[in-house]
Amino acid sequence: ETGVTQTPRHLVMGMTNKKSLKCEQHLGHNAMYWYKQSAKKPLELMFVYSLEERVENNSVPSRFSPECPNSSHLFLHLHTLQPEDSALYLCASSQERGHPDGYTFGSGTRLTVV
Amino acid sequence: AQKITQTQPGMFVQEKEAVTLDCTYDTSDPSYGLFWYKQPSSGEMIFLIYQGSYDQQNATEGRYSLNFQKARKSANLVISASQLGDSAMYFCAMRAFSGGYNKLIFGAGTRLAVHP
Repeated sequence: ETGVTQTPRHLVMGMTNKKSLKCEQHLGHNAMYWYKQSAKKPLELMFVYSLEERVENNSVPSRFSPECPNSSHLFLHLHTLQPEDSALYLCASSQERGHPDGYTFGSGTRLTVV
Repeated sequence: AQKITQTQPGMFVQEKEAVTLDCTYDTSDPSYGLFWYKQPSSGEMIFLIYQGSYDQQNATEGRYSLNFQKARKSANLVISASQLGDSAMYFCAMRAFSGGYNKLIFGAGTRLAVHP
């Protein structure tokens, strides 16, 4: 148990499907993040939620839709994805106060779009 | 621009030897933090070590130490007495403050292979 739990661990979906990725943190943190990790590319920050408010959307296509209902839960809703969206999606959390010295990551969801 | 550069795509080391993984960064912020993470093939990102920009001494955590050279903007990770289980991807990251909040920026990573 890492403190940040992501489900599912693996997901295969068709381009017309709708699915959601879930992230839950048990650390009392107040900021949560979605990262995308494609093969042979650096981790890309997708969304940042600080105090449950979305503060950054790094020009992510609208087929990815985040939701943060409270400080412990973060979702990434997926619809009409493309094969190039296949990647490892990592969730992270931190305490957004002062100078955070810890970002805790989940184990990731490995997504394959067919 | 805030950026992390890892110039070594892959590194090899013999078991029980030490290895240094390079990381340079670019930022104009006076306050920042530097992190190293390990990512095994299973995918999870495991925190290894942290260095704050105002820390006077280099950070150490067990077999991991961070060689922090502020003037050169480098934050190299040193792993002593390598073990087979150290084989993984290693990412250097920087906490950057932008738009009123903090975010973590990653380098491209270095794949370390430890040989028996």
